[in-house]
Amino acid sequence: EAQVTQNPRYLITVTGKKLTVTCSQNMNHEYMSWYRQDPGLGLRQIYYSMNVEVTDKGDVPEGYKVSRKEKRNFPLILESPSPNQTSLYFCASSPDRAFYEQYFGPGTRLTVT
Amino acid sequence: RKEVEQDPGPFNVPEGATVAFNCTYSNSASQSFFWYRQDCRKEPKLLMSVYSSGNEDGRFTAQLNRASQYISLLIRDSKLSDSATYLCVVNLAPGNQFYFGTGTSLTVIP
Repeated sequence: EAQVTQNPRYLITVTGKKLTVTCSQNMNHEYMSWYRQDPGLGLRQIYYSMNVEVTDKGDVPEGYKVSRKEKRNFPLILESPSPNQTSLYFCASSPDRAFYEQYFGPGTRLTVT
Repeated sequence: RKEVEQDPGPFNVPEGATVAFNCTYSNSASQSFFWYRQDCRKEPKLLMSVYSSGNEDGRFTAQLNRASQYISLLIRDSKLSDSATYLCVVNLAPGNQFYFGTGTSLTVIP
């Protein structure tokens, strides 16, 4: 089944404790992206990647890191999480950048206390 | 200024009604446009892409007005299953970044 998977789905952590949210797609998509969704602000793009070893900042990259060592995986790293990073996070992938549908993972609900 | 703006609603309409959503975008370099549907904090799913000539998919019609920088979504003969949040999405040239509206909430009432 074609899909984007994210793990964990739910995470409660404390300020400053490094964490990684994994994202994997099995559709051989070139483009992958991370978003956060907050009430009243909608989805905002954190980082995106156009291919292996190519990553770029989106609209709200501060406090996040990503890597794209393999085509299928695009982990999101929070080196020192803070409470303002409490949010719902979505990973997405697409065959190409602009004109194609993005397929979203199920979301990761992160709470930083 | 936000890149994409939508009326958040909520829109509460009876079954069978026709409802229209509008979305405005600020950057004239925007090159592709989409409507996504999101159910109750689940993942967004593509409803339809929006083409310059306008496009229709069953009960759904999307229009793009580049001169006025807005896109619209029309839903005819609303069903209970259409209840969701509708997200307007804009892609900026050269195609790497996506901007989402905050969403318009629709509830279809029996």
